[in-house]
Amino acid sequence: DAKTTQPPSMDCAEGRAANLPCNHSTISGNEYVYWYRQIHSQGPQYIIHGLKNNETNEMASLIITEDRKSSTLILPHATLRDTAVYYCIVRVETGTASKLTFGTGTRLQVTL
Amino acid sequence: KAGVTQTPRYLIKTRGQQVTLSCSPISGHRSVSWYQQTPGQGLQFLFEYFSETQRNKGNFPGRFSGRQFSNSRSEMNVSTLELGDSALYLCASSRGDHTDTQYFGPGTRLTVL
Repeated sequence: DAKTTQPPSMDCAEGRAANLPCNHSTISGNEYVYWYRQIHSQGPQYIIHGLKNNETNEMASLIITEDRKSSTLILPHATLRDTAVYYCIVRVETGTASKLTFGTGTRLQVTL
Repeated sequence: KAGVTQTPRYLIKTRGQQVTLSCSPISGHRSVSWYQQTPGQGLQFLFEYFSETQRNKGNFPGRFSGRQFSNSRSEMNVSTLELGDSALYLCASSRGDHTDTQYFGPGTRLTVL
């Protein structure tokens, strides 16, 4: 399985951009990078995913390096509600099925 | 569109008992995956069902089983409960293509006494 490495915790001031890094140096060519977040004791919430191009949606932007060995999730204007654990996941393909392999994630604390 | 629903939300059982958890996927989704989350082990994949068939399985003992019905609803069963089975059990649904995004439910918090 392709592994991901994330910093255990980060702080961000409200209104500022939060930039969450992820290293996935063993990623294979057809594996996607997914980002989820989990607010305390709730189910993980899908944020965004990408293969090789940068992606943007209403929640965040995903920047993937050209060699695909790392990526950055950007929350452009963090709010207190963005305080959560953020998981960077490389999707493991097993034939016609797949599973999400969660690491320990980054605990983002947004402060006033 | 309604999201993934799980029932019950909270459950307390004693050691040796069995438990059944239920998951209703997003309308139109045919794949349901189950995950266990504990403070020590984090989020771990249990199994995935698609069209009433288990097509992927994690590394859990046989006490953990599941099934899926023709309407794509899924149930997970844990027999002979142990204290270590106390966890948040999450299900996620997707359309079923292996590249599809999985959407999670709120989870069932199981406490084993």
